[in-house]
Amino acid sequence: EAGVAQSPRYKIIEKRQSVAFWCNPISGHATLYWYQQILGQGPKLLIQFQNNGVVDDSQLPKDRFSAERLKGVDSTLKIQPAKLEDSAVYLCASSLYRVGYTFGSGTRLTVV
Amino acid sequence: QKEVEQNSGPLSVPEGAIASLNCTYSDRVSQSFFWYRQYSGKSPELIMSIYSNGDKEDGRFTAQLNKASQYVSLLIRDSQPSDSATYLCAVSNQGGKLIFGQGTELSVKP
Repeated sequence: EAGVAQSPRYKIIEKRQSVAFWCNPISGHATLYWYQQILGQGPKLLIQFQNNGVVDDSQLPKDRFSAERLKGVDSTLKIQPAKLEDSAVYLCASSLYRVGYTFGSGTRLTVV
Repeated sequence: QKEVEQNSGPLSVPEGAIASLNCTYSDRVSQSFFWYRQYSGKSPELIMSIYSNGDKEDGRFTAQLNKASQYVSLLIRDSQPSDSATYLCAVSNQGGKLIFGQGTELSVKP
């Protein structure tokens, strides 16, 4: 079984620029999550999708962050404009029936 | 109050000892409980899941859940240097929302 795929692995941008991350979940996993993990902290949930609908985006900074999951498969997370405090690892995870949460390798974002 | 709280550590134990990691959660209707291991620079890896009160053992790992006390723990027996990592406690509710604690850094000294 292929895992959760994420790209790119690393990204360095200047503040106020925009950036996008891509995630392809495990085949058949209806639920997809985006997490932000700042160095030294636990992952913080940004948004949860069930198929192509949003279940929870209460902690997504909607003035600068957006996410979509067209066709209920892969997903894109965008930041525009980026701030220095957005430097973090962005993790995508998927799950089947609310168990077996599996994470991708993450995208390490550095905003300079 | 944080939704999921862990001792921040670092926790240092000698090789061969038992490492005990603790976690409390605030949402009484939480249904599923997980322990993830995260090596530096890597993504979280699921090592244990537990859904009902009591103990669940898997090799050197034992997860313990007490829903009345809203407490979940992880014991690692015969700790090895390769167990040195950050351990993340995670709790999910009926809607499948998975919330993490801040993690406990474990260091196993040879």
